Amino acid sequence: NAGVTQTPKFQVLKTGQSMTLQCAQDMNHNSMYWYRQDPGMGLRLIYYSASEGTTDKGEVPNGYNVSRLNKREFSLRLESAAPSQTSVYFCASMGLDYQETQYFGPGTRLLVL
Amino acid sequence: AQKVTQAQTEISVVEKEDVTLDCVYETRDTTYYLFWYKQPPSGELVFLIRRNSFDEQNEISGRYSWNFQKSTSSFNFTITASQVVDSAVYFCALLNYGQNFVFGPGTRLSVLP
Repeated sequence: NAGVTQTPKFQVLKTGQSMTLQCAQDMNHNSMYWYRQDPGMGLRLIYYSASEGTTDKGEVPNGYNVSRLNKREFSLRLESAAPSQTSVYFCASMGLDYQETQYFGPGTRLLVL
Repeated sequence: AQKVTQAQTEISVVEKEDVTLDCVYETRDTTYYLFWYKQPPSGELVFLIRRNSFDEQNEISGRYSWNFQKSTSSFNFTITASQVVDSAVYFCALLNYGQNFVFGPGTRLSVLP
């Protein structure tokens, strides 16, 4: 039981390059989330998926796309990276039980030059 | 619109002091969930507590306690007899029924030996 895994752990991109951040969970959770955390700030929700086959925009969706590939996997794509997207990206998942918590992955550090 | 305010940006205390971290939230939903997370210097996000809007019972877990008051829209977190290992950034978060998470900006707690 690995919980929430994210790849890669660290990535450097040049402006205009594209990349996909991968996230997978093995807890059979319905909901998955992508956040970004800028230095000294809290987490801001980019996109979330309440169930397989659905995705919704969060607070800061511009410049990103997501895919809920199946119940386990939720990927985040940057089509044309910009320096403003330099951040730490966290993926999370949560079950439906009202006692459930939201489990976070270890994060991906992205630097866009 | 949903909002979480953590008015205390940084707090410093001396070891063994008690400290309370404030969290005030705004939501129009009648069903919602409140969370506290800890982010130590290593960067991972650690779940501390989840509270449902229909359960105003306060909770104690070891040195940690939480005071939930719907009348003032507050969900405050108290650490009793603080320790150096408590030094971290603490985030309060709000989840509405639509699965949209909103995090507060965080409070950086420094516990000095």
